[in-house]
Amino acid sequence: EDKVVQSPLSLVVHEGDTVTLNCSYEVTNFRSLLWYKQEKKAPTFLFMLTSSGIEKKSGRLSSILDKKELSSILNITATQTGDSAIYLCAVRVRGSQGNLIFGKGTKLSVKP
Amino acid sequence: GAVVSQHPSWVICKSGTSVKIECRSLDFQATTMFWYRQFPKQSLMLMATSNEGSKATYEQGVEKDKFLINHASLTLSTLTVTSAHPEDSSFYICSAIRVAEAFFGQGTRLTVV
Repeated sequence: EDKVVQSPLSLVVHEGDTVTLNCSYEVTNFRSLLWYKQEKKAPTFLFMLTSSGIEKKSGRLSSILDKKELSSILNITATQTGDSAIYLCAVRVRGSQGNLIFGKGTKLSVKP
Repeated sequence: GAVVSQHPSWVICKSGTSVKIECRSLDFQATTMFWYRQFPKQSLMLMATSNEGSKATYEQGVEKDKFLINHASLTLSTLTVTSAHPEDSSFYICSAIRVAEAFFGQGTRLTVV
């Protein structure tokens, strides 16, 4: 059974801290891994990773995929209260018409 | 970037009535759209895969007679919650695939009273 596991489930930090969120997967025919930020409404797309070892960056956020370890990390540096959200990791497998297998998410709370 | 529009953003309805939620891909054609439901403090749960011109594929445990999905065109999929009950109150989100990426609608907050 395909599955995506995120850790930790919940995280509380103070502004300015750096956090690392983890996502591991066990799927057949891996195609890509995606990170989303979910706030009050719909998830916001962050990154899509398909190649191992290539870091993607967007401002204070960065992410990298390790196909050997079947995992990905999402780093957030100099966290701000606005970073508080649930961060979702999802994996797309080949032949699934684009269906995504979601992890349960990591709830990040950034305290002032 | 690609835009997926969902309507309405929120709706309140009485028990026993039906509610239709629309999901539109505004600037691209989507042969496949997905419908999700989010429970409080939990991640998204995939309900069904909507395929243009054919029957939707429902996930295990999702009642297809209760959650009717129609994907009549390449830019529109609808989810109808039939005979709604208070336990159907939730946040429903659709997404559409363009190339290799999923784009989400804004979501619909359904409250059944």
